[in-house]
Amino acid sequence: AQKVTQAQTEISVVEKEDVTLDCVYETRDTTYYLFWYKQPPSGELVFLIRRNSFDEQNEISGRYSWNFQKSTSSFNFTITASQVVDSAVYFCALKGNTPLVFGKGTRLSVIA
Amino acid sequence: DAGVIQSPRHEVTEMGQEVTLRCKPISGHNSLFWYRQTMMRGLELLIYFNNNVPIDDSGMPEDRFSAKMPNASFSTLKIQPSEPRDSAVYFCASSYKIETSYEQYFGPGTRLTVT
Repeated sequence: AQKVTQAQTEISVVEKEDVTLDCVYETRDTTYYLFWYKQPPSGELVFLIRRNSFDEQNEISGRYSWNFQKSTSSFNFTITASQVVDSAVYFCALKGNTPLVFGKGTRLSVIA
Repeated sequence: DAGVIQSPRHEVTEMGQEVTLRCKPISGHNSLFWYRQTMMRGLELLIYFNNNVPIDDSGMPEDRFSAKMPNASFSTLKIQPSEPRDSAVYFCASSYKIETSYEQYFGPGTRLTVT
């Protein structure tokens, strides 16, 4: 069985603070993929990143960075110098030999 | 390029009525997924198609739900008869291939309210 846990239900930060969203996953598949999606207040789901299980190299894209650690089955997402526009629900997802399994999401509120 | 297109964006209907949600995937994508999102249950996969063929419909909640994909550019999700507990946002997503785990691209969703 595959499972994604996002323990943080809601996070609130002040603008310009750094924030890390946690994601822990469970799978028995040796090959799998991890994803992060953003759901802003407008409601659409926006793809942010995909990582495969063979590539543990961290990735940085502007203010966003992702830390993948197989040893702890985690794929955490950090936003540096947060902005109000980052306010959204963020979903971590896992795909092994089955379709995507989503976590419950973390609601991030960035306060000006 | 056009993304995944869903219609209608909002639907309000009375209990017992038939509801049909529509989806046009991204051109060239050969996998299509229907999801339902509620506060209580989060994002749930209802059914997915690969090359227009339903692969897994185990997420479809009841026989009142049915989905079709008559061709590569169109899919429908039908609820008949609808019930208030079906109220949710229904998303359609598409991807290029299911085996290689290309990322799924989501439509804007249809917000369904059943009164």
